[in-house]
Amino acid sequence: DPKIIQKPKYLVAVTGSEKILICEQYLGHNAMYWYRQSAKKPLEFMFSYSYQKLMDNQTASSRFQPQSSKKNHLDLQITALKPDDSATYFCASSQDGTSYEQYFGPGTRLTVL
Amino acid sequence: SQLAEENPWALSVHEGESVTVNCSYKTSITALQWYRQKSGEGPAQLILIRSNEREKRNGRLRATLDTSSQSSSLSITATRCEDTAVYFCATDANNNNAPRFGAGTKLTVKP
Repeated sequence: DPKIIQKPKYLVAVTGSEKILICEQYLGHNAMYWYRQSAKKPLEFMFSYSYQKLMDNQTASSRFQPQSSKKNHLDLQITALKPDDSATYFCASSQDGTSYEQYFGPGTRLTVL
Repeated sequence: SQLAEENPWALSVHEGESVTVNCSYKTSITALQWYRQKSGEGPAQLILIRSNEREKRNGRLRATLDTSSQSSSLSITATRCEDTAVYFCATDANNNNAPRFGAGTKLTVKP
């Protein structure tokens, strides 16, 4: 059974629209992360949350907003989508904010037209 | 800018051969991690090596760490076709545990 679920697997959006990427982990972890991977850039750290609190934000744009409704959920809302936002977005988790053993989900591939 | 960088950019070997991927990093670290990412999947951690360790093994994998030269290597022995993937090294940054990745080395293992 998958331990980290990301939904949807593929997502197509139009420029200017808003989308929410879903991430749920069933590893009992207390820290969750978002990363982005595109053809132009390597895996890029975006956010980290520990016990549902924001620990680190390396995303320059406020168009990206993580949302943690439950301890094992960390969704990513993206507003005013641009073609440059096209990428695969990976969610990851670890036991807590000090653990170096991160587990990654399968990713959501976002294409903005 | 990237905190870690792998080289070479790509490697191709035949099954059964050994291969080594190198990594250089820019800042002092608490730990360095090696990940593998197969096509269409998320990265999977292979080895975690802490700054006070010089070598770590995991089956056919062996990682080394040299903090004086800020470099690491990942060796794979007896390669298999299923080892075909992109291999990343990743380091922590500013005492934040979230790994920062290099661009990766694309390894192809041919039958």
